[in-house]
Amino acid sequence: AQKVTQAQTEISVVEKEDVTLDCVYETRDTTYYLFWYKQPPSGELVFLIRRNSFDEQNEISGRYSWNFQKSTSSFNFTITASQVVDSAVYFCALSESYNTDKLIFGTGTRLQVFP
Amino acid sequence: NAGVMQNPRHLVRRRGQEARLRCSPMKGHSHVYWYRQLPEEGLKFMVYLQKENIIDESGMPKERFSAEFPKEGPSILRIQQVVRGDSAAYFCASSTRTSGASETQYFGPGTRLLVL
Repeated sequence: AQKVTQAQTEISVVEKEDVTLDCVYETRDTTYYLFWYKQPPSGELVFLIRRNSFDEQNEISGRYSWNFQKSTSSFNFTITASQVVDSAVYFCALSESYNTDKLIFGTGTRLQVFP
Repeated sequence: NAGVMQNPRHLVRRRGQEARLRCSPMKGHSHVYWYRQLPEEGLKFMVYLQKENIIDESGMPKERFSAEFPKEGPSILRIQQVVRGDSAAYFCASSTRTSGASETQYFGPGTRLLVL
């Protein structure tokens, strides 16, 4: 069965600290896709990244970076030099290509960045 | 380029009433997904539709809930005889879909349903 685990319920940091949000997934499929979404206090869901299972290269986008490790079934997200505007709930999600693309979400990690 | 539109943004209903939630996908997207987010929880898949077809409704409650995506107009998620446990945020997402690939789903702002 597909499952996404975000073990960190809540993380608090002070501005300019680096923070890593963990995501561990389970799937029996060899082709799958992983996503991260951000849900700020305003409530909408903002797409951050999509990664397919064949591409294990790490990705960097500004202060954001993602570390995909198939060997440990993890897709961790790091924010460098965090800012107050990064305060949000972050969701990791999985979908399998043979399936109907429905997203299986983790329970989310609430990040609070204090000035 | 307009994103996914949902309305209303907030909806208050009394127990036993009907709730209708509307979703217009992004331009060029023909696939619509509905998810429900209960308070302090993650999102749970409900249903996946293409125009005039329900593709996967494995996450829909068996009673009172229905969804459609007609040839013309928005997708509708309908909840009949609402109960307090239906209070949640309902998100719609849309995507394109190429064969064998899970394309990115872009989400609307959500409809917050409160049942009194």
